[in-house]
Amino acid sequence: DTGVSQDPRHKITKRGQNVTFRCDPISEHNRLYWYRQTLGQGPEFLTYFQNEAQLEKSRLLSDRFSAERPKGSFSTLEIQRTEQGDSAMYLCASSQQDRGSYNSPLHFGNGTRLTVT
Amino acid sequence: KNQVEQSPQSLIILEGKNCTLQCNYTVSPFSNLRWYKQDTGRGPVSLTIMTFSENTKSNGRYTATLDADTKQSSLHITASQLSDSASYICVVSSTNAGKSTFGDGTTLTVKP
Repeated sequence: DTGVSQDPRHKITKRGQNVTFRCDPISEHNRLYWYRQTLGQGPEFLTYFQNEAQLEKSRLLSDRFSAERPKGSFSTLEIQRTEQGDSAMYLCASSQQDRGSYNSPLHFGNGTRLTVT
Repeated sequence: KNQVEQSPQSLIILEGKNCTLQCNYTVSPFSNLRWYKQDTGRGPVSLTIMTFSENTKSNGRYTATLDADTKQSSLHITASQLSDSASYICVVSSTNAGKSTFGDGTTLTVKP
C-alpha cells in the first residue's frame, strides 16, 4: 500500500498526558499537512510542511501543539498536556506541489482518533 | 476571509434516486475547487477537480458543475447507491495560499 499511513488509528489518553501521532506520506510528495476534524465538521487546518520546512501554522494551534518533519519524510504531531477539547480525528495529507501549480489533490490518511478522558 | 459554505447539511434519499449538493465560496484569487468523499472513519478521497475554465465535469455517476462568476459549485449524484452514503466535502484552493479552504460537508444517507 503506497498511500498515506497514520499511526495509531485510535488513542485514548487521560487529561494532562502527552500524545504523539505519526504520519508517513506518499514517498514522492513534497507537501505534508495536518488537519483536525470533529464530528459534523470539515477538516480544520493545523499546519503544513514543504519538504522539511514548516511553512504555516494555524493561529488556532496553541503552544501545546508541535509538529516536525525531519528530513522531509515522515511527520509527527505532538500534543502536550492534553485537554478534553483536543478530542478529535487528526488527519494527515500529502501532495506533490510543483512551483506555480495548485491542482494537485490532497491524499489523506485514515486519521488518528484521539479521545481525552 | 476565505470561506466555503455547503448545503444542505444533511440529506436522506432512497436508493436509485438522484441528488444535488451545493457549495458556495468566497475564496480569492480562485485556483480550483475539488469535491471529496469521506466515508465514516476514513480520510477524504478526491472525486473531481474543477478549474476556472471548466463548467462541468463527470466522474461516473458524479457530475460537478462550476460557475466561477457566482462562485458556486454543485455535485450531482445520479442513480444513488447505498455505498454513496458518506460526507461530501467541497474544498477550494487559492493561488496565493499554501492551504485550501474546506467546507463542513454534506452528509448523505442513501436508504434501501
